[in-house]
Amino acid sequence: SQQGEEDPQALSIQEGENATMNCSYKTSINNLQWYRQNSGRGLVHLILIRSNEREKHSGRLRVTLDTSKKSSSLLITASRAADTASYFCATRGGNKLTFGTGTQLKVEL
Amino acid sequence: ETGVTQSPTHLIKTRGQQVTLRCSSQSGHNTVSWYQQALGQGPQFIFQYYREEENGRGNFPPRFSGLQFPNYSSELNVNALELDDSALYLCASSPDRGSDTQYFGPGTRLTVL
Repeated sequence: SQQGEEDPQALSIQEGENATMNCSYKTSINNLQWYRQNSGRGLVHLILIRSNEREKHSGRLRVTLDTSKKSSSLLITASRAADTASYFCATRGGNKLTFGTGTQLKVEL
Repeated sequence: ETGVTQSPTHLIKTRGQQVTLRCSSQSGHNTVSWYQQALGQGPQFIFQYYREEENGRGNFPPRFSGLQFPNYSSELNVNALELDDSALYLCASSPDRGSDTQYFGPGTRLTVL
């Protein structure tokens, strides 16, 4: 079963705009990760935020974590056409990653 | 590139057949996990192998089985294929079973007719 939900399911923006996607999860976590998937291929790890962190930056990515609400958000600033992909949050429980349902982002020129 | 490879890229089988999917992990990674991703869904954990032993299993029947070899390669075997087994199968390697981050291969797209 999925750990949680991403919101929105799909997002379409213009190049240069910011994209925000949200993730909710159900259980207590040590960390939360975001992955990107291009066109139904492999997943690429983007960023990991630990449960004692509230915000983390990596290049054009900004991730926030609110453990009291069991939610996280991923912000991509100044989006590019190459950012078009599906984005998944994932939590680690034991030896497995549990993924959300994903947000499909389309960045148009 | 993650350094993880999978073969074949695409595969078409008929119901009731058996299939073997292959994965080559990053050198030095002693842990490999397999995931099934149905269309429009997130990946779902099938099982993990650590140092050639199964180290945890998701909610998948025994007809899904695996092997891990000392040369950082691994296999996912599925017997008695069903239509619902049509999916993208992803392997992911990690340096150790306690590693937070997993490095995914490009996947094998399996279609069962």
